[in-house]
Amino acid sequence: QVQLQESGPGLVKPSGTLSLTCAVSGGSISNNYLWTWVRQPPGKGLEWIGEIFHSGRTTYNPSLKSRVTISVDKSKNQFSLKLTSVTAADTALYYCAAHRGETPGPLDDWGQGTLVTVSS
Amino acid sequence: EIVLTQSPGTLSLSPGERATLSCRASPSVPGNYVAWYQHKPGQAPRLLIYGASTRITGIPDRFSGSGSGADFTLTISRLEPEDFAVYYCQHYAGSPRSFGQGTKLEIK
Repeated sequence: QVQLQESGPGLVKPSGTLSLTCAVSGGSISNNYLWTWVRQPPGKGLEWIGEIFHSGRTTYNPSLKSRVTISVDKSKNQFSLKLTSVTAADTALYYCAAHRGETPGPLDDWGQGTLVTVSS
Repeated sequence: EIVLTQSPGTLSLSPGERATLSCRASPSVPGNYVAWYQHKPGQAPRLLIYGASTRITGIPDRFSGSGSGADFTLTISRLEPEDFAVYYCQHYAGSPRSFGQGTKLEIK
């Protein structure tokens, strides 16, 4: 199994861009895994944001698609999330996760999560 | 888009009792591509079951998954103190790979 660690600013201003990184250890970002972002607003359930394969193939949640970009950085063995035009509704605990396969499947490995607050 | 509805929202039981958690899908989930996760405060979610009924290695056999099509169930045969948590179902049969809203299993 791989270990995943999220990092990024904990506070983002409204209308700004949320940027997070997930460092992968114990394996390569070029493994045939689907690298995924999931979030959990305070007091609410889990929301699937999207995923990326090391080839760059992405799938996004249609509800967020116009604002989301997920990318891979092979040189740093990490993948990233960018969410533009954020509002208070984007305040959440953001998790990176991985499915050990190149076709859709369950999320086998998870990071501990990082809290992002959208506020001025 | 497949929507998953979990019930009940909260389940209050005592250690040693049996827990039955429901996850209903609309429309049905092809291929029974449903997973179950356990989530405790301050921890990452943990994958328990995939393919509706296949238990992950290392997960105690008191956890079992069943169902097909539109109705899925997670059963915990005899609750241990460490089992009290929030449980989510998720489908991976298309996009978005949505989660149910969760069932909170609390100590009675």
